[in-house]
Amino acid sequence: DADVTQTPRNRITKTGKRIMLECSQTKGHDRMYWYRQDPGLGLRLIYYSFDVKDINKGEISDGYSVSRQAQAKFSLSLESAIPNQTALYFCATSDRTGIQWETQYFGPGTRLLVL
Amino acid sequence: RKEVEQDPGPFNVPEGATVAFNCTYSNSASQSFFWYRQDCRKEPKLLMSVYSSGNEDGRFTAQLNRASQYISLLIRDSKLSDSATYLCVVNQAGTALIFGKGTTLSVSS
Repeated sequence: DADVTQTPRNRITKTGKRIMLECSQTKGHDRMYWYRQDPGLGLRLIYYSFDVKDINKGEISDGYSVSRQAQAKFSLSLESAIPNQTALYFCATSDRTGIQWETQYFGPGTRLLVL
Repeated sequence: RKEVEQDPGPFNVPEGATVAFNCTYSNSASQSFFWYRQDCRKEPKLLMSVYSSGNEDGRFTAQLNRASQYISLLIRDSKLSDSATYLCVVNQAGTALIFGKGTTLSVSS
């Protein structure tokens, strides 16, 4: 089984709808991240969390919110989806100890299309 | 100036070629450096960390020049399976990683 899972893998929604993307991990890592990837723009950080009580805005947090329900779960919400939020969304985790403590492990991604 | 800059390519090379990618970063306080690989429409995966002394992993060699704020990745004896996008990544302690936009490599037979 994959260590970092994302649901759904693909989603089509309409402008104005609220949607939630979910991320779960079995790696036991404290740190979790949400990114979006657009052609030509690379990976951009939306939000990140260093532990269950910690939430931090990233480069492009406007229009998004997150919830860290447990160490293993980190959800991303679009309160009112708009077409320019059409993108590939990745969740990632990292550990805070060890030699490779900053290595990030990515989920398979969620493709979101907002019509 | 963008925090992490890479030549987007694409780099088109024949099998067996040696190819080098470069990356510059703007924050002199950056402490950790990585190369990630991303296959088309897949998630990024760590290729290798980059250490000050330089490091090698098989056909791949990574170099760091802190004075010039420059990172490189050298791939020797390119394989078809090396075709991918290579992401340069840096960060400071206690913050999240900053990803470059990536350099695309296409290896042909």
